Amino acid sequence: DIQMTQSPSSLSASVGDRVTITCQASQDISNDLNWYQQKPGKAPKLLIYDASNLETGVPSRFSGSGSGTDFTFTISSLQPEDIATYYCQQYDNLPITFGQGTRLEIK
Amino acid sequence: EVQLVESGGVVVQPGGSLRLSCAASGFTFDDYTMHWVRQTPGKGLEWVCLISWDGGTTYYADSVKGRFTISRDNSKNSLYLQMNSLRTEDTALYYCAKDLRHRSSWYGFDYWGQGTPVTVSS
Repeated sequence: DIQMTQSPSSLSASVGDRVTITCQASQDISNDLNWYQQKPGKAPKLLIYDASNLETGVPSRFSGSGSGTDFTFTISSLQPEDIATYYCQQYDNLPITFGQGTRLEIK
Repeated sequence: EVQLVESGGVVVQPGGSLRLSCAASGFTFDDYTMHWVRQTPGKGLEWVCLISWDGGTTYYADSVKGRFTISRDNSKNSLYLQMNSLRTEDTALYYCAKDLRHRSSWYGFDYWGQGTPVTVSS
């Protein structure tokens, strides 16, 4: 199975800050990676697909980059409504696997 | 508007069986691969299984292979998960999820249901 390692596991930042989360795959997955946001009590929401493509309707302050084994998710200017847990997910090989999540809090 | 509504989650004893259902609307159901994904506080998000748009292809996580069966009824816009020989470690919130690409293999999940809780406990 492909292991997805996210860091950090939790993060505290201020409104307006630039926030970066990384995800590392245990083997080359090209750009077969998606990013999700999950708010408490809600299902995950797709934000970024194919490593860098913004899902329709998602604010442009969210972005993704990377290929191969190393990926980055960025919020350019943190907003209060961005408080959530963020997950990466690979689809290069079955089983589909997720990172362990990054919990984002407001400082 | 795409909607996925799961049902069937209950408390069941170890070794028991359960059938989850997912009613889909707002999209052409038989054009998309569908998935079950589960979530626990301890293990996070875990993909469980998928079924192709025509029902002809299924794949399972090793943790459920041989015990769970995914199926679909395209005439009823419905997805199912038959869960047998349940274990305590199957306790989770189970989501049905739509694959994001039309008539393709598997990529990711652009719509999720609200989840249905399954508790396996004596």
